[in-house]
Amino acid sequence: KNEVEQSPQNLTAQEGEFITINCSYSVGISALHWLQQHPGGGIVSLFMLSSGKKKHGRLIATINIQEKHSSLHITASHPRDSAVYICAVKVTGTSYGKLTFGQGTILTVHP
Amino acid sequence: GAVVSQHPSRVICKSGTSVKIECRSLDFQATTMFWYRQFPKQSLMLMATSNEGSKATYEQGVEKDKFLINHASLTLSTLTVTSAHPEDSSFYICSATGTPYSTDTQYFGPGTRLTVL
Repeated sequence: KNEVEQSPQNLTAQEGEFITINCSYSVGISALHWLQQHPGGGIVSLFMLSSGKKKHGRLIATINIQEKHSSLHITASHPRDSAVYICAVKVTGTSYGKLTFGQGTILTVHP
Repeated sequence: GAVVSQHPSRVICKSGTSVKIECRSLDFQATTMFWYRQFPKQSLMLMATSNEGSKATYEQGVEKDKFLINHASLTLSTLTVTSAHPEDSSFYICSATGTPYSTDTQYFGPGTRLTVL
């Protein structure tokens, strides 16, 4: 079993829908990242969380440390949100900021 | 956020040649840089961690002599794929962290797609 599990693996939505991507982890962490990777390949860091909730535009990320779970929400989804969303954690005690990655969620938003 | 660049964005080379990929932090001092490899439809795989002025720490299974990493300055790390073979074809991504950011923060480069013929 991977230390970081994302669900769903694939997600298809219609433009305007509210989207939730989940990330569960089985280890102690000091931080959790949500990353976005477009078909061209470049990775953009969306959020870094260690507790609570963060919001940026239409994106909201939450984390529950006790339940070892995080969610990424996209409100009023748009075709340009189509990308792979990756959850990554900084495991407590690992050196130099080494991250452990989930397998990614492929999101496709249709117009 | 901070900006990390990679060069080149794409490279095609012949089998047996060496290829150098550069990773630069444009507006901060990158004390630590990470090199990742990504196969199609898979997540990122950490290859090595490099700290400025020190030898890189390689992950298990990554050949040090095959993937040479140099981190000689606070803004530049290079990955050289030596004697490249078709199985080295992949997407290579770097990330960096450093002053003034915490080690929990990483900024990713746009990646380099390597194709070995």
